[in-house]
Amino acid sequence: DAKTTQPTSMDCAEGRAANLPCNHSTISGNEYVYWYRQIHSQGPQYIIHGLKNNETNEMASLIITEDRKSSTLILPHATLRDTAVYYCIVRVASTGANSKLTFGKGITLSVRP
Amino acid sequence: DAGVIQSPRHEVTEMGQEVTLRCKPISGHDYLFWYRQTMMRGLELLIYFNNNVPIDDSGMPEDRFSAKMPNASFSTLKIQPSEPRDSAVYFCASSPGGVTLDTQYFGPGTRLTVL
Repeated sequence: DAKTTQPTSMDCAEGRAANLPCNHSTISGNEYVYWYRQIHSQGPQYIIHGLKNNETNEMASLIITEDRKSSTLILPHATLRDTAVYYCIVRVASTGANSKLTFGKGITLSVRP
Repeated sequence: DAGVIQSPRHEVTEMGQEVTLRCKPISGHDYLFWYRQTMMRGLELLIYFNNNVPIDDSGMPEDRFSAKMPNASFSTLKIQPSEPRDSAVYFCASSPGGVTLDTQYFGPGTRLTVL
């Protein structure tokens, strides 16, 4: 699976958009980009994933550059409850025989009032 | 749906004791995962099951650790004997599998402290 690079931390004001970057310059054509987050004292939570096209769901939007070497997770209106560690994970779609999500250090997002 | 259920939420035990952690996956999910999280090592996959069969246990640290899944709605992770270095938060997760295999739903975790 391709390696990802994320800043250690960032902050944003409540109500503003939070844009979380992720670099994955060695990504292969069949690798997906997944985002998870972990709020303090809770289990990780799936947010969104994508392959080539931009994706949006009720939680966030995922913007993947045309060359697929980087992506941005966007929380359109951050709230205090979005304060968490956000993990960007790149991997080939699992077939079941090699399912292993590897969580790196992630980026700590702090939303300030 | 209640989500993934884990018990107990907190466990404090003494070195040498047996510890059993329990997990109930989301109904209909074919995959179940056990993870361990520590400050030093982050989140690590220990073992995962597909249709109650262990597929990959390469992350299990040593023979003191064992995991079972007797049926589709229940799994256990056992540590015998426990050691202080086993202190961590243990998470169970489940997934529908197929193209959504990497969409995993995590439980609240069990915080284990071994004295």
